[in-house]
Amino acid sequence: EPEVTQTPSHQVTQMGQEVILRCVPISNHLYFYWYRQILGQKVEFLVSFYNNEISEKSEIFDDQFSVERPDGSNFTLKIRSTKLEDSAMYFCASSLYGTGYFGPGTRLTVL
Amino acid sequence: TQLLEQSPQFLSIQEGENLTVYCNSSSVFSSLQWYRQEPGEGPVLLVTVVTGGEVKKLKRLTFQFGDARKDSSLHITAAQPGDTGLYLCAGERNSGGSNYKLTFGKGTLLTVNP
Repeated sequence: EPEVTQTPSHQVTQMGQEVILRCVPISNHLYFYWYRQILGQKVEFLVSFYNNEISEKSEIFDDQFSVERPDGSNFTLKIRSTKLEDSAMYFCASSLYGTGYFGPGTRLTVL
Repeated sequence: TQLLEQSPQFLSIQEGENLTVYCNSSSVFSSLQWYRQEPGEGPVLLVTVVTGGEVKKLKRLTFQFGDARKDSSLHITAAQPGDTGLYLCAGERNSGGSNYKLTFGKGTLLTVNP
């Protein structure tokens, strides 16, 4: 069964450093998303991406964040200058329409 | 702001018991999805309900979408220790464009004791 994959599974970085989280969505899906979950809190929407552009972004997704689909398979989330409060699980999701399928997540720890 | 309230937040029961968890909102959703999440992993989709009043069954799990599409319930019959996990509901509101943003509830943490 096709699935969304994410790399790395864990990322530790120093505050102020740039990180790129990578995702390979399900191949025939059209809509791509990033969500995050701070430890003990609910899953929060960050951004949706369709037709090579951002469809919607939340207030969390500020100028430090960017997304890209550099080729036909990868979908990346870049955080330019990480802050302590960026520490969270980051989930990529994709959908054909409607139902979203989530990846296993990348645990980002900012020291 | 659309909020999804899940209740109860925690539930601990004995193997063989039945249980129901609830997901409520004041907003209407075009669909509602139930996920199960294990610690340190991503949410795994269980079911999507789309039509008001819809009932879907997945083995011992029964999902219902409210008539007004503002609420949903998950009923588990004869719970087993393998059902232990965090159950999340997530509402989807299609704005008519290309966005299928999900709004998640905080989840119900279910523990089924042998």
